[in-house]
Amino acid sequence: AQSVAQPEDQVNVAEGNPLTVKCTYSVSGNPYLFWYVQYPNRGLQFLLKYITGDNLVKGSYGFEAEFNKSQTSFHLKKPSALVSDSALYFCAVRDKDNYGQNFVFGPGTRLSVLP
Amino acid sequence: ETGVTQTPRHLVMGMTNKKSLKCEQHLGHNAMYWYKQSAKKPLELMFVYNFKEQTENNSVPSRFSPECPNSSHLFLHLHTLQPEDSALYLCASSQAQASGGLNTGELFFGEGSRLTVL
Repeated sequence: AQSVAQPEDQVNVAEGNPLTVKCTYSVSGNPYLFWYVQYPNRGLQFLLKYITGDNLVKGSYGFEAEFNKSQTSFHLKKPSALVSDSALYFCAVRDKDNYGQNFVFGPGTRLSVLP
Repeated sequence: ETGVTQTPRHLVMGMTNKKSLKCEQHLGHNAMYWYKQSAKKPLELMFVYNFKEQTENNSVPSRFSPECPNSSHLFLHLHTLQPEDSALYLCASSQAQASGGLNTGELFFGEGSRLTVL
């Protein structure tokens, strides 16, 4: 079975500084990995995904993520954080059972960007 | 606007009430999902429909009853709920492949229905 871990419940960063939100995964075979963001009282919004190809994936709002197969990681990064980036971030992997219909989500990491 | 609309956004109900949550997607997708999001708990997959057929029922109590009349609409019928069922219920959709194909696409989520059971 596939699984996703987000080792940090909370990440604090000062505005303008680079941010990293960590994600590690456990899958059999090639992983299909995703990042989502959730603002208060809203649904999840897709940020980016890795399916194949370049290990550095660029997504919405200036976010990017680096796929590292040897470390089984898919960390989310942004060069310069904004206060408006404060939200809950979820890493997810597509479960390849049942033709990949199901997503397995990590527990989420709350990002606080301090002015 | 994600193309997935959920109504109502907020619902308060007693334990003996019957209510329904509605989800509609305008993306031409053929897979729809119900997730439950409770405070301090991971996102829980409840039900999955592919091409209107239920393909996943993740050990959900029978007081939750899904209905998918067509590939654009998904309902969650609620009956005799418990206070611990209070949560944010999220609907999502994606483009499923025909049989034998692996789906690599992302999920598109609605804004959620915040349910409070008194």
